[in-house]
Amino acid sequence: QLQLQESGPGLVKPSETLSLTCTVSGGSISSSSYYWGWIRQPPGKGLEWIGSIYYSGSTYYNPSLKSRVTISVDTSKNQFSLKLSSVTAADTAVYYCARQTNGWLVPIDYWGQGTLVTVSS
Amino acid sequence: QSALTQPASVSGSPGQSITISCTGTSSDVGSYNLVSWYQQHPGKAPKLMIYEGSKRPSGVSNRFSGSKSGNTASLTISGLQAEDEADYYCCSYAGSSTYVVFGGGTKLTVL
Repeated sequence: QLQLQESGPGLVKPSETLSLTCTVSGGSISSSSYYWGWIRQPPGKGLEWIGSIYYSGSTYYNPSLKSRVTISVDTSKNQFSLKLSSVTAADTAVYYCARQTNGWLVPIDYWGQGTLVTVSS
Repeated sequence: QSALTQPASVSGSPGQSITISCTGTSSDVGSYNLVSWYQQHPGKAPKLMIYEGSKRPSGVSNRFSGSKSGNTASLTISGLQAEDEADYYCCSYAGSSTYVVFGGGTKLTVL
């Protein structure tokens, strides 16, 4: 059974960079059939797709966040990572890592449990 | 503001059917048969319920069905059960520059 687990600091200061890692178990991140992505959900609000990466390193970003987002992959560790720079309180959210279908980035069929990141001084 | 428009809330009694709409544009819902629906219970990760407009993943009850007409997709839940009370989100592929868009979510209350 595929499992995804987010890890990283739960508190980040304003203007700093948020960094999270997703560890994939029960399957290979190098599968040609899937993309791997990040989705976030501010408290009490809806879902927002942040971006996705293919095992080869090809990336796709939400245009509204593109200038601040970097997603990378480490196939040797079966992990992929998110960096979001210059954070503000508006970036406070539960961040989910997920698996997405190759070619179209949807549907999102496996999700991590999510990790709350709070932006505060 | 979300790219796809959903009603904020819907409700129904046990055993009834409800439908949640998801309105997009000709750039997303209307152009691709790639709408998916997710169920989210409080404090939990979303769960895929419908993909490619009307397909159900293995293990999802056949009480859940999806459809599309023009720029609007719909999720129908028949034979409502208490466990169906949750938030529901639609999602669509939106082309090679925007890629993925979500609806704002609909809170389903089972009366």
